[in-house]
Amino acid sequence: SQQGEEDPQALSIQEGENATMNCSYKTSINNLQWYRQNSGRGLVHLILIRSNEREKHSGRLRVTLDTSKKSSSLLITASRAADTASYFCATQGAQKLVFGQGTRLTINP
Amino acid sequence: DTAVSQTPKYLVTQMGNDKSIKCEQNLGHDTMYWYKQDSKKFLKIMFSYNNKELIINETVPNRFSPKSPDKAHLNLHINSLELGDSAVYFCASSQALGVGYGYTFGSGTRLTVV
Repeated sequence: SQQGEEDPQALSIQEGENATMNCSYKTSINNLQWYRQNSGRGLVHLILIRSNEREKHSGRLRVTLDTSKKSSSLLITASRAADTASYFCATQGAQKLVFGQGTRLTINP
Repeated sequence: DTAVSQTPKYLVTQMGNDKSIKCEQNLGHDTMYWYKQDSKKFLKIMFSYNNKELIINETVPNRFSPKSPDKAHLNLHINSLELGDSAVYFCASSQALGVGYGYTFGSGTRLTVV
């Protein structure tokens, strides 16, 4: 299965610190995407990184992709209370977008 | 103006009933999806439609029947509801079929079967 697995499953940090979440997958992919889900809400697309890219930035987000290790990381810098949410990586091969089980991130004030 | 809207937001119903969830997107996207999120937050694709045509049909019981009257709408009808159908159902859309597009999700329909 190409399903991503996030690590850690839960992460709790102080406001202002950086948060790093990792994702590993099993098969070759076309792209990898990260989504955020606030409690009781739908998923919000954060960033897409293609298999021929190694790093991408968007505001306070930095995503890396290592296709040789079949892994990706999402770094959120200078975290804020509003970043508290679940973060999912999703891999796309030929067609389907397949999600991992997410990392629950809690930012403590 | 909500991009992907689902109704209802909550649905509580008894086993054996039939229910429908409606989804509409105003983004002009060609492709729409239904995902199921279980109690452990695991998201699994159920169906995808591209311009009213069924593209992906995962191993979903045939009690679930999607219908796409036009490319802006994708409804989900569930017959003979079972306890195990309790979950949050998300509708999503993407610009086109194929790879390289991010998905826009609705806010979900929490279905509880009692």
